[in-house]
Amino acid sequence: DAGITQSPRHKVTETGTPVTLRCHQTENHRYMYWYRQDPGHGLRLIHYSYGVKDTDKGEVSDGYSVSRSKTEDFLLTLESATSSQTSVYFCAISESKSGAEKLFFGSGTQLSVL
Amino acid sequence: GQQVMQIPQYQHVQEGEDFTTYCNSSTTLSNIQWYKQRPGGHPVFLIQLVKSGEVKKQKRLTFQFGEAKKNSSLHITATQTTDVGTYFCYYSGGYQKVTFGIGTKLQVIP
Repeated sequence: DAGITQSPRHKVTETGTPVTLRCHQTENHRYMYWYRQDPGHGLRLIHYSYGVKDTDKGEVSDGYSVSRSKTEDFLLTLESATSSQTSVYFCAISESKSGAEKLFFGSGTQLSVL
Repeated sequence: GQQVMQIPQYQHVQEGEDFTTYCNSSTTLSNIQWYKQRPGGHPVFLIQLVKSGEVKKQKRLTFQFGEAKKNSSLHITATQTTDVGTYFCYYSGGYQKVTFGIGTKLQVIP
C-alpha cells in the first residue's frame, strides 16, 4: 500500500465544535484529495490540492476548508461541525491530475457528529 | 451536464455464479478506472481503460470499455467469497470534473 496515513481513525464530536482531519503521505505525490463516503452517494470530492498552498473546491465543499503547507500534509477542517457531516472521510493521492493517474487511498476516518 | 449511472447498486450471487457491473454515460468519457472496496476498507485501484473497445483481463475479472467510450463493464467469472465488496467506476469526461460512480455492492453467498 502507498504511504498514506490518516489521523485520527475515529472521532466523535459535538455539533458546533471545530474538527481537523490530517492526511500525511510519504510518496511525494503532487495531488491530494479529500473525499467523503455516505450510503447511497458513493465517494464525493470535498477539496483537492495540486501543490503546496494550491487548493480547489470539489462537489461538496460547503462547510469544509483545507490547507496544504507542505507537500506531505493535507488538512481538512470542519469549522463548526454539523450532524450532516457525520461520514467516513478518505484522503487520496495521485502523481498527476486525477482521471489520468490512479488514486491511492488512506484507510479513512470515521467521524460522528452528535 | 455529464451523467454516469452505475448499475446495479446491489447484487447478491451464489458463489460460483458470474457477476457484472456497468457504468453508462450520457457523454463520451476520456478514460475510466475501476476500484474495489472491501467491507470496512478503502478503495483500491484495479484497472484503467483508455482506448475505444479496450478489453483487459485480470484472472477472473474482465474489464471492457465501449466502442463509443460511453460505457464500461466489469465482469467477474465464477465469483468467490473474496470478491465481496463494492466496485466503483471512476471516470473522466475531459474538461468535466472527474468523479466516482455510486458503486455496486456485491455479496457472495457461500
